Amino acid sequence: QQKVQQSPESLIVPEGGMASLNCTSSDRNVDYFWWYRQHSGKSPKMLMSIFSNGEKEEGRFTVHLNKASLHTSLHIRDSQPSDSALYLCAASRTGGYKVVFGSGTRLLVSP
Amino acid sequence: NAGVIQTPRHKVTGKGQEATLWCEPISGHSAVFWYRQTIVQGLEFLTYFRNQAPIDDSGMPKERFSAQMPNQSHSTLKIQSTQPQDSAVYLCASSLVANTGQLYFGEGSKLTVL
Repeated sequence: QQKVQQSPESLIVPEGGMASLNCTSSDRNVDYFWWYRQHSGKSPKMLMSIFSNGEKEEGRFTVHLNKASLHTSLHIRDSQPSDSALYLCAASRTGGYKVVFGSGTRLLVSP
Repeated sequence: NAGVIQTPRHKVTGKGQEATLWCEPISGHSAVFWYRQTIVQGLEFLTYFRNQAPIDDSGMPKERFSAQMPNQSHSTLKIQSTQPQDSAVYLCASSLVANTGQLYFGEGSKLTVL
């Protein structure tokens, strides 16, 4: 069964610091990775997606993907208290509909 | 665009009672998903509809859970004989097309079974 593993389970960074989150899929047929952010009491919202090897940057957020190792990472620079949330990594196969989510990394940015 | 609408936001049932949860997907989205979220298990896939047709219910506990999509604007998840372990946040999501991970989630229905 396809699994998505995330680490660490929780992370505390100071305001203005860098947060680094990791995610690996056990399914070699996965082609697409997604990062979702879920604030407390709210629903998950898609943050970034990455399909190709390499790096993708959007503002303070950077995503890396290594397809050979099925590993993706999310880096948040200049972290803000509003970034405190549960970050969910998700993966899906080419042409597939099922999106499998990891258990998440709970990020706390301390003022 | 109001997004995915789920009702009720909170539901409390006694053990053995029935619970029905409703979802209105984003207009024009052909794919509708139901997920269940708990602290222990995380976000679990339950079932998937494409153009109202049931495609995959592999995540559904077979005996007590059922889902329907009678029209393109409405899906329901019904849980019969609810058990305390059914307590969770049930999330409905829709997507413009099926083969994309860009899901738009509703705010969820929090079910508590006493």
